[in-house]
Amino acid sequence: EIVLTQSPATLSLSPGERATLSCRASQNINFFLAWYQQKPGQAPRLLVFDASNTASGVPGRFSGSGSGTEFTLTISNLEPEDFALYYCQQRADWPPITFGNGTRLEIK
Amino acid sequence: EVRLWESGGGVVQPGGSLRLSCAASGLTFSDDAMSWVRQSPGEGLEWVSSLSGNSGHAYYADSVKGRFTISRDNSKNTLYLQMSSLRAEDTAIYYCAKDYDILTSWGPGTLVTVSS
Repeated sequence: EIVLTQSPATLSLSPGERATLSCRASQNINFFLAWYQQKPGQAPRLLVFDASNTASGVPGRFSGSGSGTEFTLTISNLEPEDFALYYCQQRADWPPITFGNGTRLEIK
Repeated sequence: EVRLWESGGGVVQPGGSLRLSCAASGLTFSDDAMSWVRQSPGEGLEWVSSLSGNSGHAYYADSVKGRFTISRDNSKNTLYLQMSSLRAEDTAIYYCAKDYDILTSWGPGTLVTVSS
């Protein structure tokens, strides 16, 4: 089973700043990585799939990059509604699909 | 717009059973694989099970294999999860989601609590 490790666990930033979230895979997953956003009391929402493809309706300030074992989700010019939990998820070797342990983006 | 809505959650005693349902709209249901993902209180996301559009292929997490059964009724646009021999560690919000591996749409979830 592929293990995904997200860092940092918590990221404290201010609106208008840039957020950089990391996800490391325990083995090569090519580009088969997705990112999800989850707000309190809500279901996760797909943001990015296959490392760098932004899902429909996702604002342009969200972007993904990486391949192999190292991946990054970048949120430029943070908006108040961006402060949430973020999870990465791999589909390179399933079942099972696996998720990272999450990064909490909080307002500084 | 794809809409998914789970139901059937509740409180059940250890060793008990429960069946969850997920009603779908806004998609050609029979064409799409569907999945269940759960989230324990304050914890991360765990994939539980997936089923192909024609029910020909079903997949389960090791943690639920032999206890949970995924199924669907394409005539009713509904996905099911039959859960038996429930344990305290099965307590979670259960989400249904569209597709196997890129989970493009999610329902709001239904809470299952296993407690005596």
